[in-house]
Amino acid sequence: AQSVSQHNHHVILSEAASLELGCNYSYGGTVNLFWYVQYPGQHLQLLLKYFSGDPLVKGIKGFEAEFIKSKFSFNLRKPSVQWSDTAEYFCAVSSGCYQKVTFGTGTKLQVIP
Amino acid sequence: DAGVIQSPRHEVTEMGQEVTLRCKPISGHNSLFWYRQTMMRGLELLIYFNNNVPIDDSGMPEDRFSAKMPNASFSTLKIQPSEPRDSAVYFCASSQGTSYNSPLHFGNGTRLTVT
Repeated sequence: AQSVSQHNHHVILSEAASLELGCNYSYGGTVNLFWYVQYPGQHLQLLLKYFSGDPLVKGIKGFEAEFIKSKFSFNLRKPSVQWSDTAEYFCAVSSGCYQKVTFGTGTKLQVIP
Repeated sequence: DAGVIQSPRHEVTEMGQEVTLRCKPISGHNSLFWYRQTMMRGLELLIYFNNNVPIDDSGMPEDRFSAKMPNASFSTLKIQPSEPRDSAVYFCASSQGTSYNSPLHFGNGTRLTVT
C-alpha cells in the first residue's frame, strides 16, 4: 500500500524567507507526485505535479519541487515566501491502474508580514 | 467548465438522522473520490470509483457510511445514522482516472455538523 508522510505539521516564516516542506512516500512501483494547496476556507488546488522527465518541477506562484527517487522524496520549495502563501500544503501520490491518490497529513504554513 | 459541484455547502443535523451528500464530477472525468477532512486526522480517502464502479472502499469508516455512483455525472455519500464524530468537511474530487496527466479537481466541500 502506498503512504505519504510530511514531516512538518506547522511552519511559521517571515515574508521573504525561503521555504522547504518535506514529503516522503512509500511505494515500490511507478508513482505520480503532486503538491496541492488549500487556502483558508477553500478547497484543495493543484500547485504542481510530477509524472516523468526532469525531476525538478516548476509550479504556479513560484513554487518548485524536486523528485529524488533514491530518497523517495518530493520536497516543495519556494525561494521567497509572501504573506499570501499562508495556507495548508498537501503532498500526494498516485499509482496503479486506477491512479488511487493518497494524501499526506498536510503542513500548515503561516507567513508573518 | 463548472468544476466539481457539491451540495449542500453546509449541513447541520441531529444525531441519528440520515445525511446525504451529493457530487457532480467534471464532465469527461471517469474517476471520482470522496475524502473527509478533520483537524485530527487530516484528509482521509473514503472511497473511489472508476467508470461508476467502486474500486476501493477500505477507507469507509463503518457500515453507517455508503456511497453510490449511479451514472457518470452523479455520486452520493450517505451516512445513516449520523453521529457527532462524523462532523467534518467532506470533499468530492474527480480526475480522468487512468490518464497520467490528470490531477484531482476538488469541489468546494460540504461542511457537516452533527449535534
